[in-house]
Amino acid sequence: EVQLVQSGTEVKKPGESLKISCKISGYKFTSHWIGWVRQMPGKGLEWMGIIYPHDSDTRYSPSFQGQVTISVDTSISIAYLQWSSLKASDTAMYYCARDGADDAFDVWGQGTMVTVSP
Amino acid sequence: EIVMTQSPATLSVSPGERATLSCRASQSVSSDLAWYQQKPGQAPRLVIYGASTRATGIPARFSGSGSGTEFTLTISSLQSEDFTVYYCQQYNNRWVFGPGTKVDIK
Repeated sequence: EVQLVQSGTEVKKPGESLKISCKISGYKFTSHWIGWVRQMPGKGLEWMGIIYPHDSDTRYSPSFQGQVTISVDTSISIAYLQWSSLKASDTAMYYCARDGADDAFDVWGQGTMVTVSP
Repeated sequence: EIVMTQSPATLSVSPGERATLSCRASQSVSSDLAWYQQKPGQAPRLVIYGASTRATGIPARFSGSGSGTEFTLTISSLQSEDFTVYYCQQYNNRWVFGPGTKVDIK
């Protein structure tokens, strides 16, 4: 069974750094792109970026370029999303998802809630 | 960047009736269009990809159509579990989601 299991809820202060994770199992990690999607409270879905674990080729939405960093560790089949300096406006649910159906996202993680508050 | 719009923002339908949701792209995305269903407190679920292909496990009452810039998701006979939010997404030029359509009970 294909599974994407994300790290748990985070509560951070503005200016702090953060790295959340997405553990992949059930298929060859390097064979599919992994994307990240933001959902702010009560709002819609926003594509943030995507990475190809085979060669770490990474694409970012213009809205998130320079704001976050997406990476992978192929030795442990984990994708990461990280911030160097969080803002209150980063408060949101973050999902990882596999690009597995014609470049659509066919399997999703359960989400990681990030709250940034003084 | 391609902009996706969805209409209506809210669709009120009675159980058992047909629901027709629309999605428009600001430029052609060919058939690189997906639909997702998201229930409260849950991750999105892929419903349709390639504009018209049902994802694994999706009931036959869901169908997608369109190409280029105009797309439609049809739910032929709404069941109680179908009343939720639906997003379209293009993946022809990067990935962009629409703002969503909420299907609620009339």
